[in-house]
Amino acid sequence: QLQLRESGPGLVKPSETLSLTCTVSGDSIISSTYYWGWIRQPPGKGLEWIGSFYYGGSTYYNPSLKSRVTISVNTSKNEFSLKVSSVTAADTAVYYCARTIANSPDYWGQGTLVTVSS
Amino acid sequence: DVVMTQSPLSLPVTLGQPASISCRSSQSLVYFDGNTYLNWFHQRPGQSPRRLIYKVSNRDSGVPDRFSGSGSGTDFTLKITRVEAEDVGVYYCMQSTHWPWTFGQGTKVDIK
Repeated sequence: QLQLRESGPGLVKPSETLSLTCTVSGDSIISSTYYWGWIRQPPGKGLEWIGSFYYGGSTYYNPSLKSRVTISVNTSKNEFSLKVSSVTAADTAVYYCARTIANSPDYWGQGTLVTVSS
Repeated sequence: DVVMTQSPLSLPVTLGQPASISCRSSQSLVYFDGNTYLNWFHQRPGQSPRRLIYKVSNRDSGVPDRFSGSGSGTDFTLKITRVEAEDVGVYYCMQSTHWPWTFGQGTKVDIK
C-alpha cells in the first residue's frame, strides 16, 4: 500500500532555509508513470502547489516561489526533498507531498506543519 | 495563473438533502491531449485532502456514488445527491491542465 510521509523541522527561523523530506513506501519514485510533488496550506487557508517532478524528466516550480525553491531526489532512499530559502512568516504552512498520475494527484501524505518564527 | 473560483464558499446543508458546488476557471481546462484535468478534493479538519473526482467526472475507488462531477471548458460542478454526516469539511476544485496547477478557495460544507 502506498504511503508518503513528510518529515523535517517544525520550526524555522526567518531568512533561513526550510528543508523537508518525503519518504515513499509501496511504490518507486523512479517510475516514469508518476509525478511527485509538494503542496502547502497556510493555517486556515487554501492550497498552493509548490512544484512537481518525474524521475529522469523535468521539474516544474510554481513561478511564485521558483527563485526560492528546490526539489531534489534520493533514489537510494526512495525519497524526495523540498528546500525553500529565505523564509518569512508567509511560508508558515502545512506542507504535503503527493503522487500524481495522469496529471492528477491521487495520494497525499498526512502533512507536516512548519512554522517560521524567531 | 489560472484562477479557480468556487461558489458558494459556505454551504450549510440538511442531512439527506442534495448539495451542489460550482467551480469556474479563468480559462479553458481542455489540455492538448483532449482531456480536461479538473479534480475535486474533500478535506476534513486535521486531515490531508482526499481526491474524490478526477478528469471532471471520474470517481475515485471507494468514493460513494452519491458524489458526481460534471462540466466542461470553464464551468464545473460537484453534486452530492444526499448529504451524510461524514461529508462535512472543505471541498476544493483543482485544475491540473495549466502550470502552475491551482486550487479554488474551498467550499466549507457543514450541517444545519
